[in-house]
Amino acid sequence: GENVEQHPSTLSVQEGDSAVIKCTYSDSASNYFPWYKQELGKRPQLIIDIRSNVGEKKDQRIAVTLNKTAKHFSLHITETQPEDSAVYFCAPGGGTSYGKLTFGQGTILTVHP
Amino acid sequence: EADIYQTPRYLVIGTGKKITLECSQTMGHDKMYWYQQDPGMELHLIHYSYGVNSTEKGDLSSESTVSRIRTEHFPLTLESARPSHTSQYLCASSEYWSTDTQYFGPGTRLTVL
Repeated sequence: GENVEQHPSTLSVQEGDSAVIKCTYSDSASNYFPWYKQELGKRPQLIIDIRSNVGEKKDQRIAVTLNKTAKHFSLHITETQPEDSAVYFCAPGGGTSYGKLTFGQGTILTVHP
Repeated sequence: EADIYQTPRYLVIGTGKKITLECSQTMGHDKMYWYQQDPGMELHLIHYSYGVNSTEKGDLSSESTVSRIRTEHFPLTLESARPSHTSQYLCASSEYWSTDTQYFGPGTRLTVL
């Protein structure tokens, strides 16, 4: 099965700073790389995803970069705002763990005003 | 509006009781999932389904069972609840397989005394 590690486990930044969260996975056959955001007391929601034929994808202030050779992908948030405070999960899929996403341990992001 | 619904949202019960957590979706999705999550922690897949009459065990050993008699309905049953079952249970669905967005329900927070 897929082994997933997310770093850092907690991240504290000032409003306006950038934040980067890294996800390392083990299954070289994985071909789908999403990031989910879960606000306190809310359900997880997809915020951005990338597939293995693309190296980078951007959506306004968030971006995801993929390094398939090194088996890691990262979430980048620029110009952070207090409403970005949440737990972020990576969840690679599409590999030998057929039919399942494997969620990382989560990163608690706190953006201070 | 297409969505995923879970009932009850909160449940407090005594040890040994049988309970069923309900999950229904109006998304028209074939794939459905049950996750267990302690607050702010990673999501552990406990059951999933390809479609009607299909159920599979996930990565986390669970004493629960599921059924999938109708496309839109995926209930989870605990025959005899124990304090170790205290957690949040999240239901999710997706249109395609593990390379597609998973949409989550609001969750059921279960406390077993």
